[in-house]
Amino acid sequence: ETGVTQSPTHLIKTRGQQVTLRCSSQSGHNTVSWYQQALGQGPQFIFQYYREEENGRGNFPPRFSGLQFPNYSSELNVNALELDDSALYLCASSLAFGGGGEQYFGPGTRLTVT
Amino acid sequence: GENVEQHPSTLSVQEGDSAVIKCTYSDSASNYFPWYKQELGKRPQLIIDIRSNVGEKKDQRIAVTLNKTAKHFSLHITETQPEDSAVYFCAASRDDKIIFGKGTRLHILP
Repeated sequence: ETGVTQSPTHLIKTRGQQVTLRCSSQSGHNTVSWYQQALGQGPQFIFQYYREEENGRGNFPPRFSGLQFPNYSSELNVNALELDDSALYLCASSLAFGGGGEQYFGPGTRLTVT
Repeated sequence: GENVEQHPSTLSVQEGDSAVIKCTYSDSASNYFPWYKQELGKRPQLIIDIRSNVGEKKDQRIAVTLNKTAKHFSLHITETQPEDSAVYFCAASRDDKIIFGKGTRLHILP
């Protein structure tokens, strides 16, 4: 297992609500990436944080936002939840920036929007 | 942006035979190509990776090849075993942003 943790494990929300997911990086890692994995699909890149700043974003609307803290842990916030937001949300931490470093995935948060 | 195509979507092989999964990518600046294995309900786990300055890499029963000119890369699993049954994802990465393929569900038949 990696040293990346995520909370909560599971979450059920109602359409229109807001949700915050949390990720603790592996010790020493300064980069966190967030992915959305719908059932039966590959993970899709949401955005990446490097030293507390957003460093690239995938094709996701602005209601998906994030933060990275000085200890390199991170949050993913989703506003105005839609049914299609139901998915497994994965975070991954890495050390190298721009060097193609291995990313270590957390166990994920399963979000269900009803 | 980067686009990664993966084939086949489903693959069934007899135990002991080899399995091959193929991927193509679009962004010639991608420089890191990891392969992940994901079992049901679990996180993706890195099984092997290759960088753009290498053409082939092997780790026991698993090997990956990369053709930068053609922008395609492949995963080869030899002597398949029941525990190889899972979903496999190829990916291409630039600046640590990983773009995944849609996955291949590998079934190992007894």
